[in-house]
Amino acid sequence: EAAVTQSPRSKVAVTGGKVTLSCHQTNNHDYMYWYRQDTGHGLRLIHYSYVADSTEKGDIPDGYKASRPSQENFSLILELASLSQTAVYFCASRGSGKERLFFGHGTKLSVL
Amino acid sequence: LAKTTQPPSMEAYEGQEVNVSCSHTNIATSEYIYWYRQVPHQGPQFIIQGYKDYVVNEVASLFISADRKLSTLSLPWVSLRDAAVYYCIVTDIHYGGSGNKLIFGTGTLLSVKP
Repeated sequence: EAAVTQSPRSKVAVTGGKVTLSCHQTNNHDYMYWYRQDTGHGLRLIHYSYVADSTEKGDIPDGYKASRPSQENFSLILELASLSQTAVYFCASRGSGKERLFFGHGTKLSVL
Repeated sequence: LAKTTQPPSMEAYEGQEVNVSCSHTNIATSEYIYWYRQVPHQGPQFIIQGYKDYVVNEVASLFISADRKLSTLSLPWVSLRDAAVYYCIVTDIHYGGSGNKLIFGTGTLLSVKP
């Protein structure tokens, strides 16, 4: 079974601070994704990448940056965290073509 | 990238067969259909995928209409553990580009009664 590891599992941040969420996959997958999920709502795509050193904007990229320094690692960066960014963040990966998504366990971020 | 439309909620009793529909009227020839489900406090779990006709695995079956604009996920003999939000998504299988965004819609909340 493919593995996607997110760190940290939870984090408390202060408003205006910088937050980095990390995602690591050992699946040799090309694609990686960052989603956020607010309580009681569906997943919304923030950023994604299909090759190292390149990222693409999803549906809600404002306030977030992404970095894909290698095929295995994909980070989500909040330069100035805000209260509205309190959510659970999921990372996912998949191979090319028809392959399905594999999700991490999620990171619960609370911005105070 | 084709959008999907699902009923917001469904109810069923344990032991019943449940059919969850998904409309993707603008699906392209290069797009595949995937179904996931999510229970609280967990990430989405893959259920099944398909391109056309009928697909079955140990968990569910998927029927895709001939024009591929409608798909139906069938869950046989649901139990309380099947209570979850079910998502239908479509994505382009060609490499790279915006067609690979994998957008989740609002999903269908399935409630299962004992």
